[in-house]
Amino acid sequence: DGGITQSPKYLFRKEGQNVTLSCEQNLNHDAMYWYRQDPGQGLRLIYYSQIVNDFQKGDIAEGYSVSREKKESFPLTVTSAQKNPTAFYLCASSPTRRGGWTQYFGPGTRLLVL
Amino acid sequence: SQQGEEDPQALSIQEGENATMNCSYKTSINNLQWYRQNSGRGLVHLILIRSNEREKHSGRLRVTLDTSKKSSSLLITASRAADTASYFCATALITQGGSEKLVFGKGTKLTVNP
Repeated sequence: DGGITQSPKYLFRKEGQNVTLSCEQNLNHDAMYWYRQDPGQGLRLIYYSQIVNDFQKGDIAEGYSVSREKKESFPLTVTSAQKNPTAFYLCASSPTRRGGWTQYFGPGTRLLVL
Repeated sequence: SQQGEEDPQALSIQEGENATMNCSYKTSINNLQWYRQNSGRGLVHLILIRSNEREKHSGRLRVTLDTSKKSSSLLITASRAADTASYFCATALITQGGSEKLVFGKGTKLTVNP
């Protein structure tokens, strides 16, 4: 099956702890994205990557870090500097075709603070 | 601030009726996309309309785009209970690096009553 997977489905973070959310795709897409969604809100872009070993900050990058060592993987680390991390995190990928980059989303990871 | 704003925030209709959702945005766009999200799940792409297009159809979906008014609408005809979900418009902007990134609105929550 082709698709985009995220793990874990639920993640609990203790005070001062860094946690890493996994995102893997086997769609052979060049671009990948991380979004944060708060209750009743739209998605806000955290980081995005158009190509391996390159990534750019989105609108709310503070307190987060990413890496893109492989085309199919784009993990997100929520650091202790992110003071309000409780949210639903969505990963997406897209082909970089002319005419518009349609994004394909994973099922999401819900992060809760203990 | 949000680039796209959907209206209404919530919509409740009876099965068989049509549902219309509107989206307004502020800056020039490369294209505009509509996505659907079932509660607690990832987003699913519905339709993409390019800035030089005025109307597009896909099954029971009809999307219009008016770039002079910076607005778009999504019409779902003959709605079904399974259409119950949140619907988001996303405006596609080209970054300085040539990537395409989406800016999402807060969404319209549609409830279709059987």
